[in-house]
Amino acid sequence: DAGVIQSPRHEVTEMGQEVTLRCKPISGHNSLFWYRQTMMRGLELLIYFNNNVPIDDSGMPEDRFSAKMPNASFSTLKIQPSEPRDSAVYFCASSLYNNRVNEQFFGPGTRLTVL
Amino acid sequence: DQQVKQNSPSLSVQEGRISILNCDYTNSMFDYFLWYKKYPAEGPTFLISISSIKDKNEDGRFTVFLNKSAKHLSLHIVPSQPGDSAVYFCALKGPAGAGSYQLTFGKGTKLSVIP
Repeated sequence: DAGVIQSPRHEVTEMGQEVTLRCKPISGHNSLFWYRQTMMRGLELLIYFNNNVPIDDSGMPEDRFSAKMPNASFSTLKIQPSEPRDSAVYFCASSLYNNRVNEQFFGPGTRLTVL
Repeated sequence: DQQVKQNSPSLSVQEGRISILNCDYTNSMFDYFLWYKKYPAEGPTFLISISSIKDKNEDGRFTVFLNKSAKHLSLHIVPSQPGDSAVYFCALKGPAGAGSYQLTFGKGTKLSVIP
């Protein structure tokens, strides 16, 4: 049973470039989350989708960040233009919303380095 | 202002002994409390949870205790094994309604179990 799949696993880019991170949630899950992990701030929720619709994007740091979920099996997080302070590990997670505990299943993450 | 605090960034324990990981929170509206475990280069994985109506939940070597009056959560691992060496995050879920999807994470405690 495949878990949450993220690609790429590592991304190194130069400041100013566009970066696109990809996520395939677990089949049957109706909620998808994008998180960012840094040493200073820990795990922060960036955006939450329910049934492919963005519900809460209050964690998106600025307009350079955007996320889409065109269908139930795919989501992207785009940063344009990227800056060195965007360097972090980005996690995608999915869950089944009617699970009271809201156990979220995380992907392996994408380590982004912006030079 | 951190709603969830894990005050010990690291903990070292001898194999076979008990590991106790702690988490304090400020918002009494959280209704589910979860622990996640994270190995390097992997995403966090769900370990155990407890509802706010309980004060203890046990699963094999892992027991979670909840003290609502003190707003304190702890995870006990006994006996500790070298494979338990990982970063442990507590994660708290808001009540039904607005914010019920969101998990608020602590910054994690790195557990090292020494053989």
